[in-house]
Amino acid sequence: GAVVSQHPSRVICKSGTSVKIECRSLDFQATTMFWYRQFPKKSLMLMATSNEGSKATYEQGVEKDKFLINHASLTLSTLTVTSAHPEDSSFYICSARDWLASSTDTQYFGPGTRLTVL
Amino acid sequence: EDQVTQSPEALRLQEGESSSLNCSYTVSGLRGLFWYRQDPGKGPEFLFTLYSAGEEKEKERLKATLTKKESFLHITAPKPEDSATYLCAVQTSNDYKLSFGAGTTVTVRA
Repeated sequence: GAVVSQHPSRVICKSGTSVKIECRSLDFQATTMFWYRQFPKKSLMLMATSNEGSKATYEQGVEKDKFLINHASLTLSTLTVTSAHPEDSSFYICSARDWLASSTDTQYFGPGTRLTVL
Repeated sequence: EDQVTQSPEALRLQEGESSSLNCSYTVSGLRGLFWYRQDPGKGPEFLFTLYSAGEEKEKERLKATLTKKESFLHITAPKPEDSATYLCAVQTSNDYKLSFGAGTTVTVRA
């Protein structure tokens, strides 16, 4: 149980284009999902909290117009990197919390998406 | 501001050589402390959640303990497949956000 998927696993795009990354909870419902960014040999940096049916909450320093987040259902959140530039190249990871598991605050992570912007 | 510090940064072990990883934290109020394992190019895999000082949890060769200031992840008789980066994270508020430490990269040689 508690499986989270991400698609695509890898994406290469040209500078100036937009890229959409999907995060799905496969066997549970998630009212809250989180998006992280991870640089090589560094830890996870929280970018934003995605709430089903409402606007995402962004961490300080994260451009909300550049990283668009949509959480349209209890099992799907999407991150769109708009007008991508080489500095946006990174490993993007999502996580989800099982909203029915009130006894635990555990977040389950997806496998990550490697974005390379040329 | 919440701070999570993991040590050592890297740990090289011989197969069967037990050791411990440290996660020290400075937070205003701890709701939970989490341990994850991350393999290269993969997302973190959940290992344990600890909620209160004195709590211990075990899974195969791993055992996590918690005090009011730090947590330890003990690896008993490690095998090469235990090689990974182990991440510690704390949760302090009811918005479920996690603050991660930098991780300890463990390499176990056969």
